[in-house]
Amino acid sequence: EPEVTQTPSHQVTQMGQEVILRCVPISNHLYFYWYRQILGQKVEFLVSFYNNEISEKSEIFDDQFSVERPDGSNFTLKIRSTKLEDSAMYFCASSQEDPGHRTQNTIYFGEGSWLTVV
Amino acid sequence: SQQGEEDPQALSIQEGENATMNCSYKTSINNLQWYRQNSGRGLVHLILIRSNEREKHSGRLRVTLDTSKKSSSLLITASRAADTASYFCATGNTGFQKLVFGTGTRLLVSP
Repeated sequence: EPEVTQTPSHQVTQMGQEVILRCVPISNHLYFYWYRQILGQKVEFLVSFYNNEISEKSEIFDDQFSVERPDGSNFTLKIRSTKLEDSAMYFCASSQEDPGHRTQNTIYFGEGSWLTVV
Repeated sequence: SQQGEEDPQALSIQEGENATMNCSYKTSINNLQWYRQNSGRGLVHLILIRSNEREKHSGRLRVTLDTSKKSSSLLITASRAADTASYFCATGNTGFQKLVFGTGTRLLVSP
């Protein structure tokens, strides 16, 4: 079964450093997302991406965050200057466009990237 | 804002028993999805139920949706130790598929 893949699975970084988390969404999907889960807390929406632009973002997704689809397969999340509170599991997700039911698609998640900021 | 809240927060049962988890939300939705998360792992999609549906089945899973009460339930029948995980409901609103996750139910199935 097709799956969303994420790298790295774990990353430890110094506060203030830039981090790039990478994702390969399912190949025929057109909507891409990043979510995060701070240890012991809810999964939170960060950003959605469609047609090479951000379609929706949360308050968490401030100027320190950016997303990019540099080629036909990868989708990246960049944190420019990491803070301690950015420590979390970051999930990439994707869904297939369905014009008839665009808001009712299953969203498939990757295994996540654990980010620890020290 | 809409919000999914599951109860119970934790549930401990024996293998073979049924497990029922409930989810409540606050605003109207287009769909509700249930996910499973093994400790420290990714989110595995279990089932999606649309706002015009009342019940769906998938294997040992049964999901109900009551939009008048803004609630959903997930029933796992004949549970197995491998079902031990956290289970989350997530509601979909209008727009581009932002999901709002609940707090989750931690299920422990003992052999």
